[in-house]
Amino acid sequence: DGGITQSPKYLFRKEGQNVTLSCEQNLNHDAMYWYRQDPGQGLRLIYYSQIVNDFQKGDIAEGYSVSREKKESFPLTVTSAQKNPTAFYLCASSSDRVGFQPQHFGDGTRLSIL
Amino acid sequence: GESVGLHLPTLSVQEGDNSIINCAYSNSASDYFIWYKQESGKGPQFIIDIRSNMDKRQGQRVTVLLNKTVKHLSLQIAATQPGDSAVYFCARANYQLIWGAGTKLIIKP
Repeated sequence: DGGITQSPKYLFRKEGQNVTLSCEQNLNHDAMYWYRQDPGQGLRLIYYSQIVNDFQKGDIAEGYSVSREKKESFPLTVTSAQKNPTAFYLCASSSDRVGFQPQHFGDGTRLSIL
Repeated sequence: GESVGLHLPTLSVQEGDNSIINCAYSNSASDYFIWYKQESGKGPQFIIDIRSNMDKRQGQRVTVLLNKTVKHLSLQIAATQPGDSAVYFCARANYQLIWGAGTKLIIKP
């Protein structure tokens, strides 16, 4: 079955540590997205990529980094510069690079601070 | 700037009744709107979408209505079931998705 796989499901970060969240899709979609969701809130865009080897900052990119070396993969690194990283992180993909088709989501990674 | 907002953070509905979830948006730059359902601990799931050249679109047990005059859209769920319990988001597309805060639908037995 085609879909988006995020791993791990739960992740704990120590002070000063960088952590990387994995996102893989087998839908052959060009566009991929990373969102952050805080309790009781909507989704906020961190980074997005419309094509391999290219990505753009979203609304809350500070303290995060991404890469897009393969079409299938869009990993997110939460750096030590992100002072409030505790949140639910969601990865999505879409067949339309400019956002006029639905985005399909993985089941998220919940990141907490030790 | 653009914004999207839902009218109620929580909606309680009797099982078997129809549910109506409302959403308002701030300007008309976008022509594409999407409704998502998010169950606890999971990612959002696409329900139905509508483009601005339409006023109404129907799916299985769901209908979306778009009123461009008052910048309002609604999601109607017919014969609400326990499995419909979730948070519902409306989102508008303008190169990015702009999300509202969500309405939690609670089903009373």
